[in-house]
Amino acid sequence: SQTIHQWPATLVQPVGSPLSLECTVEGTSNPNLYWYRQAAGRGLQLLFYSVGIGQISSEVPQNLSASRPQDRQFILSSKKLLLSDSGFYLCAWSLGSSTDTQYFGPGTRLTVL
Amino acid sequence: AQRVTQPEKLLSVFKGAPVELKCNYSYSGSPELFWYVQYSRQRLQLLLRHISRESIKGFTADLNKGETSFHLKKPFAQEEDSAMYYCALSGQHSGGYQKVTFGIGTKLQVIP
Repeated sequence: SQTIHQWPATLVQPVGSPLSLECTVEGTSNPNLYWYRQAAGRGLQLLFYSVGIGQISSEVPQNLSASRPQDRQFILSSKKLLLSDSGFYLCAWSLGSSTDTQYFGPGTRLTVL
Repeated sequence: AQRVTQPEKLLSVFKGAPVELKCNYSYSGSPELFWYVQYSRQRLQLLLRHISRESIKGFTADLNKGETSFHLKKPFAQEEDSAMYYCALSGQHSGGYQKVTFGIGTKLQVIP
């Protein structure tokens, strides 16, 4: 069966520090991968979307970047965190197009101080 | 552009009362619509999708293209239905891919 992992679960970082959040999927090949930010009152905001290795689409301009070095690995990064980067980050995967069901990871709670 | 609107951030109902979580969408093409649910301390997960025309945990949702709505309904609320509910729309992205847009979510609170 397929599973999706995210780590760390919780992270507290100072403003200006770098960020690396990792997401891995098991049990499937060539999934579509997604990074979302979940904020109270703002729902789920799609940050990045990937249909394959090295193929990243960015949905909103921001302080963050994403990479997909391997088929089932998706990394969210920042060189210098801002206070506004605080939030709950969710990774998700789907088969084929995004009309398919999306399966979400457990999320990472990021607090930038 | 595609947009999903959930007008209620919080909906409180008594156990046994009917529930309706509202969702309206804006999309020029033929959309695919979903409801996702997040129970306390659990992952966000799919509840139902309109193309399946199914009832999950007593919930149903009908796509009304005339009113551009996809409201989630249940005739009798249960305490275990308390959760965060997100409406989502999948539509054609400008880059040729399908893109999923989520609403801001509605917190359903079922009062015993």
